[in-house]
Amino acid sequence: DAGVIQSPRHEVTEMGQEVTLRCKPISGHNSLFWYRQTMMRGLELLIYFNNNVPIDDSGMPEDRFSAKMPNASFSTLKIQPSEPRDSAVYFCASSFGGSEKLFFGSGTQLSVL
Amino acid sequence: RKEVEQDPGPFNVPEGATVAFNCTYSNSASQSFFWYRQDCRKEPKLLMSVYSSGNEDGRFTAQLNRASQYISLLIRDSKLSDSATYLCAVNIVNNFNKFYFGSGTKLNVKP
Repeated sequence: DAGVIQSPRHEVTEMGQEVTLRCKPISGHNSLFWYRQTMMRGLELLIYFNNNVPIDDSGMPEDRFSAKMPNASFSTLKIQPSEPRDSAVYFCASSFGGSEKLFFGSGTQLSVL
Repeated sequence: RKEVEQDPGPFNVPEGATVAFNCTYSNSASQSFFWYRQDCRKEPKLLMSVYSSGNEDGRFTAQLNRASQYISLLIRDSKLSDSATYLCAVNIVNNFNKFYFGSGTKLNVKP
């Protein structure tokens, strides 16, 4: 199993630019989670999907952030426009509904200059 | 208030020492509990689940106290390779799984 695949691994961009992060969950998993990790705030849950449907986006910081899951094998997290305070590691994770195990991707290190 | 809170550490211990971490959670509806390990610049990986009766996996022992709403992780005979950040997580199941993580406790095991 390839595990959860995220791209890109690193993204450096300038303030005001649009950033798109991508995630492919483990095949067969029907829950997908986007987390953001910073030294100050730790690992924050941004949004999660179940069967491709967004269930709870209360963790999304503001309207500049949006997430989609057009099918069971792909999700995107978009930031438009990006700001320096968005700099963080963004993790995608997936699980099989009802399972206690959450599997993480390798993360995207985002730097907004 | 954060859903899950941990002492950030760092805990600096010599090889062979026993070290314990605690983690408190605020939502009494939390149903499942876990410890994850995160190495520097890597993703969190599941270390072990925490069951009501307590459970052990080699040198690692996890315990749950529902009355006081905390979970603990005990590491015996610590190794250099145990150096990492340990995150506790809770799963609040209201129709769907929702995982919350603590900020992590950093452990440094010294020779």
